[in-house]
Amino acid sequence: QITLKESSPTFVKPTETLTLTCSFSGFSLTTPGVGVGWIRQAPGKALEWLAIIYWDDSKRYNPSLKNRLTVAKDTSNNHVVLTMTDMDPVDAGTYFCARRLVIVDSYWFGPWGQGTPVTVSS
Amino acid sequence: DIVMSQSPLSLPVTPGEPASISCRSGRSLLHRNGNNYLEWYLQKPGQSPQLLIYLGSNRASGVPDRFSGSGSGTDFTLKISRVEAEDVGIYYCMQSLEAYSFGQGTKLEIK
Repeated sequence: QITLKESSPTFVKPTETLTLTCSFSGFSLTTPGVGVGWIRQAPGKALEWLAIIYWDDSKRYNPSLKNRLTVAKDTSNNHVVLTMTDMDPVDAGTYFCARRLVIVDSYWFGPWGQGTPVTVSS
Repeated sequence: DIVMSQSPLSLPVTPGEPASISCRSGRSLLHRNGNNYLEWYLQKPGQSPQLLIYLGSNRASGVPDRFSGSGSGTDFTLKISRVEAEDVGIYYCMQSLEAYSFGQGTKLEIK
């Protein structure tokens, strides 16, 4: 069974750095064609893709947030960490991680974690 | 960036009736390998998104066959042949040809 679970501080202050951790089981981030992505959702708003890291340690970032994001993996402990600097109240919302497959005939995000809520307030 | 646009944004449907959601991309999602890099996800109330359709028209495992995806290039459609109460939620299209980007979402509700 594949599971992912996000964890983070519930509250961060403006200008602080947010550190999100995705802990997963049931798959390996060393398997070719596998990645872990981060997606967020502001309250009542649409999904927004943030970043992704793949089995080969390649990374992609949302261009509009690229300067603020860093993604890294810890394959020994099955964790992926996303840091977002200079947090602002508009960054509040629920942050999801999801497994990504990029294998021949299999391109999708799934399963997803349950999401972790983040509030940005002084 | 590839911009994704969905319509309608709100879709009230009577149970048993069909429903259709349109998704348009700012650039063709058809790769030279013949794949359209377009996925559909459903986010049911209070839940995480779940995959419905991948590569434009392939139904994910466990997804009822009343769901179908079609289209190519820049225009795609998700169809539900007969809407059931459990289908309520927000439907998103997402492109994966160049990084990733989602549409605005279409909220399906039961009349």
